[in-house]
Amino acid sequence: SAVISQKPSRDICQRGTSLTIQCQVDSQVTMMFWYRQQPGQSLTLIATANQGSEATYESGFVIDKFPISRPNLTFSTLTVSNMSPEDSSIYLCSPKSPPMNTEAFFGQGTRLTVV
Amino acid sequence: AQSVTQLDSQVPVFEEAPVELRCNYSSSVSVYLFWYVQYPNQGLQLLLKYLSGSTLVKGINGFEAEFNKSQTSFHLRKPSVHISDTAEYFCAVSESSGTYKYIFGTGTRLKVLA
Repeated sequence: SAVISQKPSRDICQRGTSLTIQCQVDSQVTMMFWYRQQPGQSLTLIATANQGSEATYESGFVIDKFPISRPNLTFSTLTVSNMSPEDSSIYLCSPKSPPMNTEAFFGQGTRLTVV
Repeated sequence: AQSVTQLDSQVPVFEEAPVELRCNYSSSVSVYLFWYVQYPNQGLQLLLKYLSGSTLVKGINGFEAEFNKSQTSFHLRKPSVHISDTAEYFCAVSESSGTYKYIFGTGTRLKVLA
């Protein structure tokens, strides 16, 4: 399985500011999924990012709030913009490559607290 | 679209007793099925997966699950639990083609009592 490194591992941010989360993988991956896990809840898919194309966002998530970059096949960033306390969550990246009938692997996550 | 339902939000069980965590799914396309475990303040770890073939799949730490297509279920079982099994368990489905995105259930908190 790929080695996934997420930075920062945690942060406390002021409301109204933005935070960029980095996800580095030790091998080239085709797809990058970004998830959010709100306190005490399950994982919700934010968007899917493929290299060289715009990210595809799930219902309830918009690019202005969660811009994603995918400059190459080993790296991606998710920005949480204009943060509010409701954005306090764990954010996880999950890379995936063929063969696609394999399990998803997840970074350790970024624990974000907005005050 | 797919959906996943974990019927039990919390399951308390005594140590060395058997446990079953229930998962039902809904999908109009073929799917893969997974169970993940999340220990406190840790990331997600794969317990087991069903892709095709035998409907009974065995995973790590003595867990197993059975895929039942007619009942659209994928229940997780362990014959004898340990204190160390206390964690949050998530059932997930993924399309077997197309986007391959994962849909997670709401999770079941397993609490093993001494």
